[in-house]
Amino acid sequence: AQTVTQSQPEMSVQEAETVTLSCTYDTSESDYYLFWYKQPPSRQMILVIRQEAYKQQNATENRFSVNFQKAAKSFSLKISDSQLGDAAMYFCAYRSEHNTDKLIFGTGTRLQVFP
Amino acid sequence: DTEVTQTPKHLVMGMTNKKSLKCEQHMGHRAMYWYKQKAKKPPELMFVYSYEKLSINESVPSRFSPECPNSSLLNLHLHALQPEDSALYLCASSQDWSRRGFYEQYFGPGTRLTVT
Repeated sequence: AQTVTQSQPEMSVQEAETVTLSCTYDTSESDYYLFWYKQPPSRQMILVIRQEAYKQQNATENRFSVNFQKAAKSFSLKISDSQLGDAAMYFCAYRSEHNTDKLIFGTGTRLQVFP
Repeated sequence: DTEVTQTPKHLVMGMTNKKSLKCEQHMGHRAMYWYKQKAKKPPELMFVYSYEKLSINESVPSRFSPECPNSSLLNLHLHALQPEDSALYLCASSQDWSRRGFYEQYFGPGTRLTVT
């Protein structure tokens, strides 16, 4: 079974600085998708960025980028120029291409942003 | 419109009550999901509906009863709940579920349920 691990329960960053959130996963599959979801205190979960496993190029969405290391099964999220609105719980998630098609979430990392 | 709406936002119910949670989307999505989320934990999948048919039931107790009256609407009927069922209940939808490929899940804001 696939598992997703986020080893940092909490992280903090100063406004305008850069922070990296870690995620590792375990799977025997070669085709899958990886996601970072953000859940602010208002609770609505939104997709931040996604990565298809077959793509070698790291995904980028404005200030958000990932470092996808397929062999190491690592998928970290880098937030550049952090803003107060980035404060939230961040969940890393895995989705199989073939089988269960369910999102498997990590335990989350709470990010605090200080002015 | 990329919105999933959920009502009510908050619900307090006794263990003998019957209540329902409602979820609605108008994005033409054919897959809808119910998740349960406890504080400081990730969402746990409960049910998946695909093309208005129940596709996944993650061994959820029968006191939770999902219903999908049409492709835009998803209900979760609650009866004889326990205090440990208190949680945030999230609804999500995606364009599809069963086919290969990427389909982003759009989440609603959730219903905060308290069972007394």
